[in-house]
Amino acid sequence: EPEVTQTPSHQVTQMGQEVILRCVPISNHLYFYWYRQILGQKVEFLVSFYNNEISEKSEIFDDQFSVERPDGSNFTLKIRSTKLEDSAMYFCATEGTNTGELFFGEGSRLTVL
Amino acid sequence: QKEVEQNSGPLSVPEGAIASLNCTYSDRGSQSFFWYRQYSGKSPELIMSIYSNGDKEDGRFTAQLNKASQYVSLLIRDSQPSDSATYLCAVQSDSGYALNFGKGTSLLVTP
Repeated sequence: EPEVTQTPSHQVTQMGQEVILRCVPISNHLYFYWYRQILGQKVEFLVSFYNNEISEKSEIFDDQFSVERPDGSNFTLKIRSTKLEDSAMYFCATEGTNTGELFFGEGSRLTVL
Repeated sequence: QKEVEQNSGPLSVPEGAIASLNCTYSDRGSQSFFWYRQYSGKSPELIMSIYSNGDKEDGRFTAQLNKASQYVSLLIRDSQPSDSATYLCAVQSDSGYALNFGKGTSLLVTP
């Protein structure tokens, strides 16, 4: 069964450091998303990406965040200068058409110290 | 602020019973509705989608939508211990890509 792959599974970083989270989408999917879930809280939308550009972003997705698809396969989320409150599980999700029927990766747990 | 509200639970049902999970949403422009299941420490997994008023059945699961009341529900028949998880209601508006998730209802099915 095709799956969304995320790396790393867990990253610990110091406040102020840059972090890059990587995602390999399902091969024929065209819509890519990043969501995050702070421990004990709800899943929150960060950004959607379609046709090599951001299609929608939330208030959380400020100038510290960026996304790109550098090589046509990986989809990355970069946090330029991490804050303590960025500690969360970050989920990549993809879909073939914009129906909301998302396939989630296993997540990357980010811990900012 | 577009809200998706769920009772956090836990909802405890005996094995074999029907579990009923409810969700209300505030955005009247919402067009697409989803139930995702999330096991502890895992990622969300799609169970059902529903786009029009009424019922939609898939195996042991039935989703119900009432747009006038801004209400979505999920019924799980013949509940199994393996159904024990957090069930997330998600809503997508017709203007966007984002899913707006509720906080989830924790379901515990006891043998």
